[in-house]
Amino acid sequence: QSALTQPPSASGSPEQSVTISCTGTSSDVGANNYVSWYQQHPGKAPKLMIYEVNKRPSGVPDRFSGSKSGNTASLTVSGLQAEDEADYYCSSYARSKTQRVFGGGTKLTVL
Amino acid sequence: EVQLVESGGGLVQPGGSLRLSCAASGFTFSYYWMSWVRQAPGKGLEWVANIKPDGSEKYYVDSVKGRFTISRDNANNSLYLQMNSLRAEDTAVYYCVRDRPHFDYWGQGTLVTVSS
Repeated sequence: QSALTQPPSASGSPEQSVTISCTGTSSDVGANNYVSWYQQHPGKAPKLMIYEVNKRPSGVPDRFSGSKSGNTASLTVSGLQAEDEADYYCSSYARSKTQRVFGGGTKLTVL
Repeated sequence: EVQLVESGGGLVQPGGSLRLSCAASGFTFSYYWMSWVRQAPGKGLEWVANIKPDGSEKYYVDSVKGRFTISRDNANNSLYLQMNSLRAEDTAVYYCVRDRPHFDYWGQGTLVTVSS
């Protein structure tokens, strides 16, 4: 299984917005609406931020939003805050919904 | 409160075996798919395997097929990963994760180091 493609890094100043892309294929991202996004701070377990493309779990700020077009999903963080600095990973179904695949991760830096 | 607690990690020689366990609490374990996800040091996340609620279906990433076996004991709210023929590239933190198929709850992880 091939990993989904994410940019290795992204950055923005406080209060700005940043968008992270996640590109797959018609067999994974493009084939379903089960794209999810995870935030991971150093030394910590990942945390679910977005599921089913654009849904936010309880407790996740509405500054985090998700979208999808074709084979590419996106995570947008608006009103950047210092605590948003972390690694972000996307994930999707793969292979007829029996398996899962992650993106390579994007390190978000708040300048 | 949902809790997932992994155990069983450690140092093992190449070619060796290890069995990871995950104790689940705070939810009806037998209702949910469960997965193992790993993260090599300084690297990204990699999905390893998952298992249907009743244990009747199991799926694996290609790199572990034939070497790793995922299983569960719903009576004891436990998930397992039997790892055989371990290789250096299996060195990672292994997370037990509830699979919906988004991964909404994660354990703290257990470190597996494969080295001579």
